[in-house]
Amino acid sequence: DQQVKQNSPSLSVQEGRISILNCDYTNSMFDYFLWYKKYPAEGPTFLISISSIKDKNEDGRFTVFLNKSAKHLSLHIVPSQPGDSAVYFCAASNSGNTPLVFGKGTRLSVIA
Amino acid sequence: DAGVIQSPRHEVTEMGQEVTLRCKPISGHNSLFWYRQTMMRGLELLIYFNNNVPIDDSGMPEDRFSAKMPNASFSTLKIQPSEPRDSAVYFCASTKSIHPMGNEQFFGPGTRLTVL
Repeated sequence: DQQVKQNSPSLSVQEGRISILNCDYTNSMFDYFLWYKKYPAEGPTFLISISSIKDKNEDGRFTVFLNKSAKHLSLHIVPSQPGDSAVYFCAASNSGNTPLVFGKGTRLSVIA
Repeated sequence: DAGVIQSPRHEVTEMGQEVTLRCKPISGHNSLFWYRQTMMRGLELLIYFNNNVPIDDSGMPEDRFSAKMPNASFSTLKIQPSEPRDSAVYFCASTKSIHPMGNEQFFGPGTRLTVL
C-alpha cells in the first residue's frame, strides 16, 4: 500500500505561470518531508524539505506547504521555467527511525 | 567529489543470467541505499546499509535479489537468475547519516537494466 501518493502522473504549465505539485501521505508518524527533482538519465536530486513543526518553507522560486491535518503537502514553483521540466518525487519519513518513502512522481512540463 | 558512482549505466541481458550492479558511495558517507524505479511502483527502496551493515532488506522483492557492502566504498546488488520483470532503473544513494533530517541523500545516475 502506497504511504506516499502523487495522484497526478503529469502536469503541463505555461512558462511564467505557477506550477503546483501535490502529494498526500497516509502515515501519521511521518514528520519530515522532501521533494526531489529528476532529469532524464540522471538520479534524483534534493530540492527542498519541510519538517512537521512548520507549515511552509521557501527557497527562491520553490515553496513547500504542509497541511498536517489533511496529510497533504504541495510544491509551488513560481514563476515556472522550461528548465523546471522534470519528474518531481515527494518523499516522507519518520525522521528518527525510518528511511525515506517516495511517491511515484509527477512529470512536470513547462511550455515556453 | 565525483558523487555516487554506479556501473554499468546500461545492462541488457537474457532471462536466467546473473546480473551484478555496482555502486561507489560518496567518501565519508555512512549509509547506502539501493532503489528501483519502475512506472508502476515509482521509486521503491530495496535495501539499505549503515556502516556497511544491512539494516533493512524488506524491500528486496525475492530471494533472487541479494546485496552486499564489503567495505565503506563499494556495494553490489545481484540478481540471479534475472527475469524480464526485473527490468527497471536501479539507483544507489548515499548519505552521511541514516537519519533523514538534515542529511540529504545523494543519488547516483542509475543503471538501466533490461532483461530480455
